[in-house]
Amino acid sequence: AQKVTQAQTEISVVEKEDVTLDCVYETRDTTYYLFWYKQPPSGELVFLIRRNSFDEQNEISGRYSWNFQKSTSSFNFTITASQVVDSAVYFCALRSSNTGKLIFGQGTTLQVKP
Amino acid sequence: ETGVTQTPRHLVMGMTNKKSLKCEQHLGHNAMYWYKQSAKKPLELMFVYNFKEQTENNSVPSRFSPECPNSSHLFLHLHTLQPEDSALYLCASSRLTGGATEAFFGQGTRLTVV
Repeated sequence: AQKVTQAQTEISVVEKEDVTLDCVYETRDTTYYLFWYKQPPSGELVFLIRRNSFDEQNEISGRYSWNFQKSTSSFNFTITASQVVDSAVYFCALRSSNTGKLIFGQGTTLQVKP
Repeated sequence: ETGVTQTPRHLVMGMTNKKSLKCEQHLGHNAMYWYKQSAKKPLELMFVYNFKEQTENNSVPSRFSPECPNSSHLFLHLHTLQPEDSALYLCASSRLTGGATEAFFGQGTRLTVV
């Protein structure tokens, strides 16, 4: 069975703080793909990043960075120097190469206060 | 401008009404999806279409009827809905249904059944 767990339901930080959003996944597949999406109040899910299971290299994009640890089945997302515009719901997702299904976690609501 | 457009953005309907949700993608993708997002629940995959053919129906009640006339358009026909069907309905598209292809989402239709 495949599962994505985002244990943090809500996080509140003050602007300029760093924040890490946790994501833990379960799968028996040897090849799979992990994603992060951002959902602002407008409702649309915005694609942020895709990571393949065979590529454990961490990635940095501006203030965003992702830490993929296959040994602990985690794919955590860090926002450095958070801004009010980062306030949104963030979803971690897993796609199996076998079924093609995109399974989402429950989402983490991030509130960045000025 | 989003590549996936959903209309209407908001819909209020009675339990005896019939209405349709529309989704259009301008990305040249071959796969389209309907997701349901209820409060405090993960996104639930409802239907998958690949090259206009339905490839997945995730045990969705028959009061939801999808239609995909071509790869760019996807409809969700609604009839005799229940109040618990009130949710945000999200449409998505991707180049392929599996593997390393990210899905792009529309802004959703906020449905309220009264």
